[in-house]
Amino acid sequence: DAKTTQPNSMESNEEEPVHLPCNHSTISGTDYIHWYRQLPSQGPEYVIHGLTSNVNNRMASLAIAEDRKSSTLILHRATLRDAAVYYCILLSGSARQLTFGSGTQLTVLP
Amino acid sequence: SAVISQKPSRDICQRGTSLTIQCQVDSQVTMMFWYRQQPGQSLTLIATANQGSEATYESGFVIDKFPISRPNLTFSTLTVSNMSPEDSSIYLCSVSRDWSGEQYFGPGTRLTVT
Repeated sequence: DAKTTQPNSMESNEEEPVHLPCNHSTISGTDYIHWYRQLPSQGPEYVIHGLTSNVNNRMASLAIAEDRKSSTLILHRATLRDAAVYYCILLSGSARQLTFGSGTQLTVLP
Repeated sequence: SAVISQKPSRDICQRGTSLTIQCQVDSQVTMMFWYRQQPGQSLTLIATANQGSEATYESGFVIDKFPISRPNLTFSTLTVSNMSPEDSSIYLCSVSRDWSGEQYFGPGTRLTVT
């Protein structure tokens, strides 16, 4: 199974950009890279996903390395409400595999 | 997006009993998934609930322990059978338009087995 590796925790100051890294060196050509976040006592919330090109939406940006072996979730201006566990996962449409990583606990400091 | 509700939100059960968790979506969806999240851990996919046919289970999960039903495109149930304390977890359902698209999660069911 394709797996992801993330740092256990990161800190950021409020209103500063945050770059959350994810390594997925065994990614295959049909694997989509998804990011979700989970606040305490809630179900995960979809953030963004992509295949090969960088992606932007109202919540964040996703930068995908040219070799696709790593990606970075970018929160442009962190707020206190962005404090959560961020999960990078790979979804393989062809192999029907889905693997959640261990996640990064993001702490946002006021 | 989709609005997903789960019932019950939490329960405390005795070992050896079974609990059925319901997942209701406010619109028709193609894919429905069931996950388990053990305390302090990441999510593990249990199975994909297929409408009108048997669920597709991931390695380590079997139908006898986690029977799943999906009678239509907006509803699914997961039963945790013959429970033991090791089954104490949060159980979540999610929905998606297709296998590789964004998933929307329910609030989860917190199960404690004593």
